[in-house]
Amino acid sequence: QLQLQESGPGLVKPSETLSLICTVSGGFISSSTYYWGWIRQPPGKGLEWIGSIYYSGSTYYNPSLKSRVTISVDTSKNQFSLNLSSVTAADTAVYYCARHGSSWDFDPWGQGTLVTVSS
Amino acid sequence: DVVMTQSPLSLPVTVGQPASISCRSSQSLVYSDGNTYLTWFQQRPGQSPRRLIYKVSNRDSGVPDRFSGSGSGTDFTLKISRVEAEDVGVYYCMQGTHWPLTFGGGTKVEIK
Repeated sequence: QLQLQESGPGLVKPSETLSLICTVSGGFISSSTYYWGWIRQPPGKGLEWIGSIYYSGSTYYNPSLKSRVTISVDTSKNQFSLNLSSVTAADTAVYYCARHGSSWDFDPWGQGTLVTVSS
Repeated sequence: DVVMTQSPLSLPVTVGQPASISCRSSQSLVYSDGNTYLTWFQQRPGQSPRRLIYKVSNRDSGVPDRFSGSGSGTDFTLKISRVEAEDVGVYYCMQGTHWPLTFGGGTKVEIK
């Protein structure tokens, strides 16, 4: 059964870069069928898609975050990562990683990790 | 961006009674390939979202058949035929037809 697990610092200072890793188990990130995405959820609020990556390295970013986001993939480690630069308090959220197909329907999701932006 | 509007915001339901959630998009969600990329997710308290329904009406494996999705164009509905206590949570619709992907604001289902 495919599982995804987010990891990274739970606290990031304003203006710094948020960095998270998603480790995939029970399947291969190099599958040609799937894409791998990041979604976030501010406390008590709704969901926002951040961006996605294909195993080949092709990336797809939400235009609202594109200038600050970098997503990369490491097929040798079966991981993909998220970097979000110049963070502010508005970037405080639970960050999820998830798999999706070409129809952009995310399944499954990781358990999520809370990242707080504060000095 | 395509705006996804869900209603109601909150839905108190008695166990055993039906429930219905509406999701409306600001543009038609029919893609050029003929598919409609409308997905429903369930987020139970303290858990990550779980996909229930994809492409409007296709129920995921393991999802009880009391959940059903319907609709077309810009109007979509998630129905629970008989609500159970374990159905408590927030339900989100999401469109994958137009760039960028967008989610509805969520509907909180609670037991009366």
